[in-house]
Amino acid sequence: GAGVSQTPSNKVTEKGKYVELRCDPISGHTALYWYRQSLGQGPEFLIYFQGTGAADDSGLPNDRFFAVRPEGSVSTLKIQRTERGDSAVYLCASSRDYNEQFFGPGTRLTVL
Amino acid sequence: AQTVTQSQPEMSVQEAETVTLSCTYDTSENNYYLFWYKQPPSRQMILVIRQEAYKQQNATENRFSVNFQKAAKSFSLKISDSQLGDTAMYFCAFMNGNAGNMLTFGGGTRLMVKP
Repeated sequence: GAGVSQTPSNKVTEKGKYVELRCDPISGHTALYWYRQSLGQGPEFLIYFQGTGAADDSGLPNDRFFAVRPEGSVSTLKIQRTERGDSAVYLCASSRDYNEQFFGPGTRLTVL
Repeated sequence: AQTVTQSQPEMSVQEAETVTLSCTYDTSENNYYLFWYKQPPSRQMILVIRQEAYKQQNATENRFSVNFQKAAKSFSLKISDSQLGDTAMYFCAFMNGNAGNMLTFGGGTRLMVKP
């Protein structure tokens, strides 16, 4: 079956612009996670959805970051007024249970 | 809060030989899971092996095995018969079984397998 997909693969934007990053989880997976991976570092947790609701958004760095999952499947991570420090790879993962998270290939965001 | 530390930024090994990657973690939880993920240049994180904290037996998956020392909070990964395709970043990760199931990752070890 299909794995987790993320679009776009790469996104280049200018400082101050708004961006949306999309994640399509594996069908039937109720849990969905967003992580951010800065260059040379391990991924850092941003937000976790169980179904349609954000079960834990404690990793979001500030109120410029927001994520939704309106129908319990596809999720969109939204970043307002982008800053150069937002440049990173944004990883999405989904899981059916707490034993294994399946990751997508990530979106590389570059803010000029 | 949990922390995960990987003290080896880079490692190299000759093809067909064995290499061990180190990981230590800090937690006050008793119910947790530990993972090793592989990240090749394609960026896709791939699960290599997982260990439930309540299990004393070390997990094994083909050429990959772990040495889980719960009291020492150590979780090392041994790769036997290293292959060129094992070249990648390796991340150790912790999951609190009681809260949220998000992963806390270490900083990673870059492994190079040399022919």
